[in-house]
Amino acid sequence: AQKVTQAQTEISVVEKEDVTLDCVYETRDTTYYLFWYKQPPSGELVFLIRRNSFDEQNEISGRYSWNFQKSTSSFNFTITASQVVDSAVYFCALSEVNPGANNLFFGTGTRLTVIP
Amino acid sequence: GAVVSQHPSRVICKSGTSVKIECRSLDFQATTMFWYRQFPKKSLMLMATSNEGSKATYEQGVEKDKFLINHASLTLSTLTVTSAHPEDSSFYICSARGLAGLYEQYFGPGTRLTVT
Repeated sequence: AQKVTQAQTEISVVEKEDVTLDCVYETRDTTYYLFWYKQPPSGELVFLIRRNSFDEQNEISGRYSWNFQKSTSSFNFTITASQVVDSAVYFCALSEVNPGANNLFFGTGTRLTVIP
Repeated sequence: GAVVSQHPSRVICKSGTSVKIECRSLDFQATTMFWYRQFPKKSLMLMATSNEGSKATYEQGVEKDKFLINHASLTLSTLTVTSAHPEDSSFYICSARGLAGLYEQYFGPGTRLTVT
């Protein structure tokens, strides 16, 4: 069965600090997708990244970077030089590849607070 | 990018009444739409999967007679909470998956339902 674990429920950092959000997943599938979403106080889910299980290259997008390690079933997310606007709840999610399958399996989320 | 809208964004209703929430894909055809429910400070829980022209598939524990889902067209799905009770108060989020993006779900901004 699929499962996504985000052990950190809440994190607080001071502005400009770096912060890493952890995500560990479980799946029996050999092919799958991993996602990160941001949910600001407004509630809307903002898509950040999708990663195919075959692609273990790390990715950097501006201040955001992702470290995918299949060996440890982890897909961690790092924000460098954090800003107050980064304050939000961040969800890691896993998706099956089977087109007939339905949905995203979400972790419980990590609430990040960036203190000015 | 693909845009999904939800209406209304907020609704307050009295116990015993029914409330309809609309989910629309604005610039693509959504063969599948998903309805999620999110309790405060909790993760998203899938309620049901809705395929255009067929009956929705409900997750275990979700009452299909209480949460009526209709996916009458490729751009519109509706969720009707019937005979609402205060415990139905929650944040309801829909997502849509198009023909091309088999693994990509685009999320609506959510609807906050408060039942008094």
